[in-house]
Amino acid sequence: DTAVSQTPKYLVTQMGNDKSIKCEQNLGHDTMYWYKQDSKKFLKIMFSYNNKELIINETVPNRFSPKSPDKAHLNLHINSLELGDSAVYFCASSQEGRVQFFGPGTRLTVL
Amino acid sequence: AQSVTQLGSHVSVSEGALVLLRCNYSSSVPPYLFWYVQYPNQGLQLLLKYTTGATLVKGINGFEAEFKKSETSFHLTKPSAHMSDAAEYFCAVTHKAAGNKLTFGGGTRVLVKP
Repeated sequence: DTAVSQTPKYLVTQMGNDKSIKCEQNLGHDTMYWYKQDSKKFLKIMFSYNNKELIINETVPNRFSPKSPDKAHLNLHINSLELGDSAVYFCASSQEGRVQFFGPGTRLTVL
Repeated sequence: AQSVTQLGSHVSVSEGALVLLRCNYSSSVPPYLFWYVQYPNQGLQLLLKYTTGATLVKGINGFEAEFKKSETSFHLTKPSAHMSDAAEYFCAVTHKAAGNKLTFGGGTRVLVKP
């Protein structure tokens, strides 16, 4: 009965690789988000999708590309991974701008 | 632009003592304010929120916060700390026209001493 789920939970990879993180919500929400939490625990929004349409796109390198195949899924693809991409990535969802529910996070380590 | 400042990156309290976490925000329009808690290696869980109406809001686990517009503050309190309150706490702000874009403070880590 998980509300917002992410896979994988941990991701360890080499610099230069391409990787994807998947997010699914079963809450029937219309908006989904990606946040990045750095090593100092600072949280910053990256993207937001509403009904599969991109509505927030913060200053994020274009190596990061979100994709929303449907309202319940928002995936994050990262090309040419760099050391600085190491962080915890959180997916979240909400309905009509209300409270955001967060997933458990994906810890990405780039070696 | 909106911003959040949490005073004190670490707070240490004794079990049974008052927990007070400070949050000040900056917003040019009426804000929506939130407190989230993050337990180790977990996602964020909503503690409480203020949108409109009563300025004293009660949340889960005995926490409450008061919206003070004149002080641009939204401090979080709990009368009596429990060991299970040890976690990272985040204050966040958004507003109606912000596309629900949450801006977070830097977080406050709470340590509870027996």
